[in-house]
Amino acid sequence: GAGVSQSPRYKVAKRGQDVALRCDPISGHVSLFWYQQALGQGPEFLTYFQNEAQLDKSGLPSDRFFAERPEGSVSTLKIQRTQQEDSAVYLCASSLVLLPIGGLEQYFGPGTRLTVT
Amino acid sequence: GQQLNQSPQSMFIQEGEDVSMNCTSSSIFNTWLWYKQEPGEGPVLLIALYKAGELTSNGRLTAQFGITRKDSFLNISASIPSDVGIYFCAGRKEYGNKLVFGAGTILRVKS
Repeated sequence: GAGVSQSPRYKVAKRGQDVALRCDPISGHVSLFWYQQALGQGPEFLTYFQNEAQLDKSGLPSDRFFAERPEGSVSTLKIQRTQQEDSAVYLCASSLVLLPIGGLEQYFGPGTRLTVT
Repeated sequence: GQQLNQSPQSMFIQEGEDVSMNCTSSSIFNTWLWYKQEPGEGPVLLIALYKAGELTSNGRLTAQFGITRKDSFLNISASIPSDVGIYFCAGRKEYGNKLVFGAGTILRVKS
């Protein structure tokens, strides 16, 4: 079956522009996660959804970052007034099970590489 | 910042050699996972560990959940060129939703 897909794969934005990154999770997956991966580092947690509810947004670096999942499937990560330090790969992952019960088999998409110039 | 320390940072080994890497933390985690990431792709789950002391294999890969719950190890036996990539450990704390990742171990294999 289809895996997690993300679009666009690459995005170049001028400093100050707004961007929107899309994630299509695996069909039927309840949990959805966004991570930010800086060059040479491991992914860092941004936010978590269970269906349409955003249950944890403790990793969002500033109020310029906003995520939504209005119908409990596709999710969008929006970054307003982009800054150079926002340049990174943004990864989306989905999981079938509900947390904290059950396993943690998160399936990642290929990511969106954002470059802010 | 990341709370998991992965070592070594990189390895350049001969095809056929065994590989060992580890991940340590000052905090307790109740789940450990190992992922592999190739250029331009997202991380792919290799092994998940849910109990302290657990030893789990997936083909040529073997991972262990440390008894103190503060570390984990990954071994790859008889490495082949397609093992090349970045290996990440990730941990989940009790009652937490998020995964915390290490900075990765870069593996290169000489054929």
